[in-house]
Amino acid sequence: QKEVEQNSGPLSVPEGAIASLNCTYSDRGSQSFFWYRQYSGKSPELIMFIYSNGDKEDGRFTAQLNKASQYVSLLIRDSQPSDSATYLCAGGVSGGYNKLIFGAGTRLAVHP
Amino acid sequence: DAGVIQSPRHEVTEMGQEVTLRCKPISGHNSLFWYRQTMMRGLELLIYFNNNVPIDDSGMPEDRFSAKMPNASFSTLKIQPSEPRDSAVYFCASSFIGQGANTEAFFGQGTRLTVV
Repeated sequence: QKEVEQNSGPLSVPEGAIASLNCTYSDRGSQSFFWYRQYSGKSPELIMFIYSNGDKEDGRFTAQLNKASQYVSLLIRDSQPSDSATYLCAGGVSGGYNKLIFGAGTRLAVHP
Repeated sequence: DAGVIQSPRHEVTEMGQEVTLRCKPISGHNSLFWYRQTMMRGLELLIYFNNNVPIDDSGMPEDRFSAKMPNASFSTLKIQPSEPRDSAVYFCASSFIGQGANTEAFFGQGTRLTVV
């Protein structure tokens, strides 16, 4: 089992809808989680991080963490065509030293 | 700050040749990571350094791969000899880790390697 799992997609949503991206992880000791966005041919860039159970909101983005279920999600409200990209979930592996393990990514397509 | 700088941006080489990828992390960061990205396998962690010391190289696929970090501002990833299956985008990332939880990693623009 991979340490961080994501559905590869593509996830297709209409403009203005809510896009829901999901991620599960296997290391119960993981303390921190990150969502990165990667446009085609570009490098990953951080959207949000979350350390505590519950929700964390930043503009149109909401990250959700459920440590009991080992589940992380990212909601994008009012999706725009410019949100079309691959979204990578990353977990900070327990044991320190900031070892980030990435999922394979979910491709999101927002159509007008 | 210029961010994480990688060179070259593109590299095309023949099978069997030595390839060296270079990375300059963000000044002040104490952790550096090399990742490889392919369509089939996604983003894979190859090796990471903390304070210039290799902490975990379990992701290095074979002995053909080696990485060094001689000082806080420079790292190399070398493949010798290269093979067509090494073709991928190689990313370098850096971050600062202090006490407490993990922190964000900043990525360079990547090196697209093609081995023919």
